[in-house]
Amino acid sequence: EVQLVESGGGLVQPGGSLRLSCAASGFSFSIYWMSWVRQAPGKGLEWVANINQDGSYYYYADSMKGRFTISRDNAKNSLYLQMNSVRAEDTAVYYCAGGDNADYWGQGSLVTVSS
Amino acid sequence: QAVVTQEPSLTVSPGGTVTLTCGSSTGAVTSGHYPYWFQQKPGQAPRTLIYDTTNKHSWTPARFSGSLLGGKAALTLSGAQPEDEAEYYCLLTYSGPWVFGGGTKLTVL
Repeated sequence: EVQLVESGGGLVQPGGSLRLSCAASGFSFSIYWMSWVRQAPGKGLEWVANINQDGSYYYYADSMKGRFTISRDNAKNSLYLQMNSVRAEDTAVYYCAGGDNADYWGQGSLVTVSS
Repeated sequence: QAVVTQEPSLTVSPGGTVTLTCGSSTGAVTSGHYPYWFQQKPGQAPRTLIYDTTNKHSWTPARFSGSLLGGKAALTLSGAQPEDEAEYYCLLTYSGPWVFGGGTKLTVL
């Protein structure tokens, strides 16, 4: 069974940092691009970042550049999102997604930025 | 980054047909944008219905189809069912970066 399980979410103060993880199982993680997508409460989906199979190429949404870093560890079948200098508007459920054609999605991890 | 536009809301009668569209601020949507369509129901993660304009996953009901229509990507639902009531998002790729549309809330009524 394919699973993507996000973890690491929670409450963080403005200006703080947080690292999200996504554990993959049931498919060949290392051969696929992976992505992070977020959804603010009551809002639509927003793409955050993509990373290629070996981590050598990545793309970020403009609002995340310089603050967020996507990475992966294929030996651990894991995807990561390092979030720095977080703002209130970063409050959202963060999903990891991947597979041949965005086939697989996790259930999401809630990040709340508040003092 | 580009802006991707969708109808904010649409209503379809049970058994009816409806077409959702997805436009790009950069011009016509082409197969090179590899259009995706996702379905999301309240409290659930998104689920991919259509990829690369027209392709379906094994779990995509046959009543859904994707196409290019008048310079936009389109998702057509033929024979709407009550369980199709959901939010639908399109996604376009721009040689690496992705951009989601704002979503279409589809009501089956």
